[in-house]
Amino acid sequence: EDKVVQSPLSLVVHEGDTVTLNCSYEVTNFRSLLWYKQEKKAPTFLFMLTSSGIEKKSGRLSSILDKKELFSILNITATQTGDSAIYLCAVEANNQGGKLIFGQGTELSVKP
Amino acid sequence: GAVVSQHPSRVICKSGTSVKIECRSLDFQATTMFWYRQFPKKSLMLMATSNEGSKATYEQGVEKDKFLINHASLTLSTLTVTSAHPEDSSFYICSARFGSNYNEQFFGPGTRLTVL
Repeated sequence: EDKVVQSPLSLVVHEGDTVTLNCSYEVTNFRSLLWYKQEKKAPTFLFMLTSSGIEKKSGRLSSILDKKELFSILNITATQTGDSAIYLCAVEANNQGGKLIFGQGTELSVKP
Repeated sequence: GAVVSQHPSRVICKSGTSVKIECRSLDFQATTMFWYRQFPKKSLMLMATSNEGSKATYEQGVEKDKFLINHASLTLSTLTVTSAHPEDSSFYICSARFGSNYNEQFFGPGTRLTVL
C-alpha cells in the first residue's frame, strides 16, 4: 500500500531558528513529490520534486528529494512567525490520474 | 497561480438534510478535480477523482451513494453530501488540475460542514 510519513508531527521553534521537516514515502511507480503549506484554509503549493539531488529554492525555503532512500526534506531558514502552519508532503504515482497521497503533516509553530 | 473557489465556505445543517458544495476553477479549465476530506489536525484524505463528463472514481471506503459527485463542465464540480449525519462533519477541500503532464493541483479554500 502506498504511504507517506512525515516527521516530526509538530515542532515549536523561535524566530530565527532553522528547521528541517522530513517526508518519507513508499509508492509504486513514483512520479513526483510535492510540498504544501496550509494555514487556516487551503493548502498552497510550495515545491514539486521529480529528480533526486536537485535542490529547489524559494526565498528561505528549500527542498530536496532522494529517490534512492525514498525521502525528501523541507528546510526553512531564519524562521518567522508567518511560517507557522501545517506543512504537508504528498506523493503522486504514475498512471493514477493525478491522485495525491498525503502525509499526516507537520505542524510548525514559530514563537516570537 | 490558478484560482479555485468553493461555495459555501461554511455550512451548518440538520441531520438528514443534503448539502451541495461547489468547486470552480476560475481562470483555467480543469480536466480533473479532486475532492478531499480533512479532520482536525489530520491530513487530507482523497475521497474521489472527477473528470469532466464521466463518472467519478471513488476511493476505497467512500460511499458513492452518500457523496454524490457531478463534474458537469470543465470549470465546475459539485459534491453533494446526502442525508448528512454528525459524523459527516468535516472540512471538505477540492482541488483542480489542468492537463496531465506534471501539473500541480490548485486547492480551493475548503468548506466547513457542521451537521447538528
